[in-house]
Amino acid sequence: AQSVSQHNHHVILSEAASLELGCNYSYGGTVNLFWYVQYPGQHLQLLLKYFSGDPLVKGIKGFEAEFIKSKFSFNLRKPSVQWSDTAEYFCAVKWGRSYIPTFGRGTSLIVHP
Amino acid sequence: GAGVSQSPSNKVTEKGKDVELRCDPISGHTALYWYRQRLGQGLEFLIYFQGNSAPDKSGLPSDRFSAERTGESVSTLTIQRTQQEDSAVYLCASSFRTSGGTDTQYFGPGTRLTVL
Repeated sequence: AQSVSQHNHHVILSEAASLELGCNYSYGGTVNLFWYVQYPGQHLQLLLKYFSGDPLVKGIKGFEAEFIKSKFSFNLRKPSVQWSDTAEYFCAVKWGRSYIPTFGRGTSLIVHP
Repeated sequence: GAGVSQSPSNKVTEKGKDVELRCDPISGHTALYWYRQRLGQGLEFLIYFQGNSAPDKSGLPSDRFSAERTGESVSTLTIQRTQQEDSAVYLCASSFRTSGGTDTQYFGPGTRLTVL
């Protein structure tokens, strides 16, 4: 079955530390890749997405993600986190022309000031 | 420019009762999704509506779950004879469908359902 793995379930960092959250998916072929973020008390919102072209995608608030096809990965990165980045982060994948994404379990990020 | 809205925001019910959850998508969005999120888990797909096409119900966990949508407007998710394992946050999302599955979903705030 198609699946999305986020291996880091809980991450705790201090401000200014660098961040990398892992996302791996099963099966190859054409994929559309997404990272969503849910700040405390807020809706899930799109952070960034990859459909085609440059595998390094830049999103809002200084986040970026790199699609590595050979590794079936789409890791999220930020060079220097802030306290306001404390949130739940979800990776999602759509395979082929499917309109239904499969979500990972999510990673809870806590940034200490 | 209102976003996706859901009601109620919280629902506490007794085991065996029926509940109805509502979702108002963004105007003009043709696609609507329902998800379930259990504590500490990812989003579990339930059902997908696209325009007037037959919905994709492949994610509904049992026949106690059903959903309706009239055209491209409001959707309701109904859970009959609720069980404690139905306790979760139910999320609705809408999108303007584009070719190739590249559309971005916009999520509502969710309904937190607690079955006692």
